[in-house]
Amino acid sequence: KAGVTQTPRYLIKTRGQQVTLSCSPISGHRSVSWYQQTPGQGLQFLFEYFSETQRNKGNFPGRFSGRQFSNSRSEMNVSTLELGDSALYLCASSRSGEDNVLTFGAGSRLTVL
Amino acid sequence: QKEVEQDPGPLSVPEGAIVSLNCTYSNSAFQYFMWYRQYSRKGPELLMYTYSSGNKEDGRFTAQVDKSSKYISLFIRDSQPSDSATYLCAMSEADSSYKLIFGSGTRLLVRP
Repeated sequence: KAGVTQTPRYLIKTRGQQVTLSCSPISGHRSVSWYQQTPGQGLQFLFEYFSETQRNKGNFPGRFSGRQFSNSRSEMNVSTLELGDSALYLCASSRSGEDNVLTFGAGSRLTVL
Repeated sequence: QKEVEQDPGPLSVPEGAIVSLNCTYSNSAFQYFMWYRQYSRKGPELLMYTYSSGNKEDGRFTAQVDKSSKYISLFIRDSQPSDSATYLCAMSEADSSYKLIFGSGTRLLVRP
């Protein structure tokens, strides 16, 4: 079956711009989580959505936002980009059950110049 | 101090060796413990999943959790060059199971 699909895979932006990243979860998965991965901080939790509602949020500024659509697809947005936002942004999906087994996508690599 | 500590390596071993990877943590509320493997330019892939303390074995992989010491381990037997990757430990509390806290990852190189 198809895995978690993230688009775009690579993108370059300049400071001050905004970016939108997209994630299509595994069919039947209703929970989508987003993580930021950088060499210095590692993987850090951004937020998690279930049935179009944000259930958890990490310690990131309000410039980072997300949403989930009725078909479980999710987008995250970063406004007023800073150099430090350069990172690999990973999306993960999970079934709606009690387990927390996440399946990750390959990520969207964002470079901010 | 980070909630989860993991030696970044790199760890270089010959093919066939037993590999031991470890993480320590400070949050006693962690209940779920996972190991992920990440190849270059790929997302993390779940290897092992353990709830609370104990051991779990899956093929060449064994995960151990010692909650009293706040210490988890992953053992890889008969290591192969294809095991060369970054190994990430991850943990979560029971009431925020989708919010994983990751270690920084250990780079493993298995030499042929």
